Amino acid sequence: EAQVTQNPRYLITVTGKKLTVTCSQNMNHEYMSWYRQDPGLGLRQIYYSMNVEVTDKGDVPEGYKVSRKEKRNFPLILESPSPNQTSLYFCASSIAGLSTDTQYFGPGTRLTVL
Amino acid sequence: QQPVQSPQAVILREGEDAVINCSSSKALYSVHWYRQKHGEAPVFLMILLKGGEQKGHEKISASFNEKKQQSSLYLTASQLSYSGTYFCGTEMGDNYGQNFVFGPGTRLSVLP
Repeated sequence: EAQVTQNPRYLITVTGKKLTVTCSQNMNHEYMSWYRQDPGLGLRQIYYSMNVEVTDKGDVPEGYKVSRKEKRNFPLILESPSPNQTSLYFCASSIAGLSTDTQYFGPGTRLTVL
Repeated sequence: QQPVQSPQAVILREGEDAVINCSSSKALYSVHWYRQKHGEAPVFLMILLKGGEQKGHEKISASFNEKKQQSSLYLTASQLSYSGTYFCGTEMGDNYGQNFVFGPGTRLSVLP
């Protein structure tokens, strides 16, 4: 089944404890992206990747890191999480560029930072 | 830079029509529409491309006015399953960048 998977789905952690949220897609998509969703603000892009080893900042990259060493995986790293990073996170992928292609979203990861 | 959506929320009875608007202060090359149900991931509805091409849903239509930098989503004869939050979005940047920006969303509730 074609899908985007994220792990974990739920995570409660404490301030400053490094964490990684994994994202994997099995559709051979070139483009991958991370979003955070907060009430009233919609989905805001954190980072995106056009291809392996190519990543770029979205609108809210502060406090996050990503890597794209393989086409299928795009982990999101929070080196020192803070309470303002409590949010719902979505990973998404697309065949290539976004101009004509839809994004497929993972199920989401709900992160709480205490 | 975030697109603006209106209305913020709308409540309908089953069978009624609704229009959701999306506008941007920057030139739009394409507009994407997604629907998200509570607790779930966003799901693709439609892409409207500059020049008039439209790719997407059978039962939902949309328009794209490039000059006015606006798009509208038309939901006709709404069904209970149409309930959810609707987001428009667009890519920003040059040919090499694919920064994507969503609007804040429009919450649609369809009542029996």
